[in-house]
Amino acid sequence: GQQLNQSPQSMFIQEGEDVSMNCTSSSIFNTWLWYKQEPGEGPVLLIALYKAGELTSNGRLTAQFGITRKDSFLNISASIPSDVGIYFCAGPPPFGNEKLTFGTGTRLTIIP
Amino acid sequence: EPEVTQTPSHQVTQMGQEVILRCVPISNHLYFYWYRQILGQKVEFLVSFYNNEISEKSEIFDDQFSVERPDGSNFTLKIRSTKLEDSAMYFCASSEELGLSYEQYFGPGTRLTVT
Repeated sequence: GQQLNQSPQSMFIQEGEDVSMNCTSSSIFNTWLWYKQEPGEGPVLLIALYKAGELTSNGRLTAQFGITRKDSFLNISASIPSDVGIYFCAGPPPFGNEKLTFGTGTRLTIIP
Repeated sequence: EPEVTQTPSHQVTQMGQEVILRCVPISNHLYFYWYRQILGQKVEFLVSFYNNEISEKSEIFDDQFSVERPDGSNFTLKIRSTKLEDSAMYFCASSEELGLSYEQYFGPGTRLTVT
């Protein structure tokens, strides 16, 4: 099946720093979704991307749909303590299936 | 803001027992899903449901699993005879009309512990 690999696997950063993470696939995706999951909670949708090259922001978060359609990037500017969590990329496979394939996740820890 | 709700938040059951996990999707959504997440791992698709029938299921979703929409608001996942390896977080999700949006909104999850 399709695999979405995220890097880095984990990040330890200081409050106020910017964060960059990415998600890559061996096959093309037509939609990229970024979710955040906090401990004991369900994934919360942050950003949805629908076109190659698209750059979309949600507050301090910015995500990009890679030109090759095989990758996506998420940036968080000026990190704050509540940004802590696991960030997952996800996407539906091509040809109209509804199920989401989730990435391996990037765990973000913020040092005060 | 509308949200997906799930009950119970935590279910402990003995191996071999039946469990039913309940979900109330967002009211104007038409597609419903169940996913699971084993501790420390990524979220995995189980099943999707549309127009009162299963539209897709994964290899995890074997004969022990079933889903139902018993009324206009609830969506349930039943595990007929639980196994130790069924212990996981189970998430319900819903989305609007396919083709208009692939955005799936997740509930807070039910933690299932099989002993």
